Amino acid sequence: SQQGEEDPQALSIQEGENATMNCSYKTSINNLQWYRQNSGRGLVHLILIRSNEREKHSGRLRVTLDTSKKSSSLLITASRAADTASYFCATGRMEYGNKLVFGAGTILRVKS
Amino acid sequence: DTGVSQNPRHKITKRGQNVTFRCDPISEHNRLYWYRQTLGQGPEFLTYFQNEAQLEKSRLLSDRFSAERPKGSFSTLEIQRTEQGDSAMYLCASSKPGTVLNTGELFFGEGSRLTVL
Repeated sequence: SQQGEEDPQALSIQEGENATMNCSYKTSINNLQWYRQNSGRGLVHLILIRSNEREKHSGRLRVTLDTSKKSSSLLITASRAADTASYFCATGRMEYGNKLVFGAGTILRVKS
Repeated sequence: DTGVSQNPRHKITKRGQNVTFRCDPISEHNRLYWYRQTLGQGPEFLTYFQNEAQLEKSRLLSDRFSAERPKGSFSTLEIQRTEQGDSAMYLCASSKPGTVLNTGELFFGEGSRLTVL
């Protein structure tokens, strides 16, 4: 079973617009990570936010974490056609051992 | 290239045949993971090694699946008597030594796509 659920399942925007993806999870976590996957390729780590952090930035990425609502959001600002990909949240939790549990992902399409 | 390497990248086989995938992790990483991903879904955890020890196996890993990491370096994932439902992308990832409480960043390979006819 998958811990996280991303919303929306798919998102289509114009280049230059911002893209926001949300992730909800069911149980307490130690950290939450976001990954990107281009079609037919492996996943690439984007950002990690720990359970005691509320917001984190990396370049055009902004991640927020609300542990009371068990949710996170990923904001990509000034999107580019190259941002077209699937985006997954993944949660780490001591009870999971040392594995990450991934959601089903959001498919982002950025039109140029 | 010092990233995670997987081969073969693609494998087409007939139902009932055995297949083996290999993963070479980043050299200083002691943790190695196998995930399976089907179309439109996120990766599902299969198994995890710390050095040569296989510490956890998912219920998804039936008796037909076996994974090894004999010297704590590369790993193999073997599927015996393949079924059409085994068709998927098999992803390998590695990570640096971490604490019990936190799993850090996973570095993924490009995956091995299996098609069972």
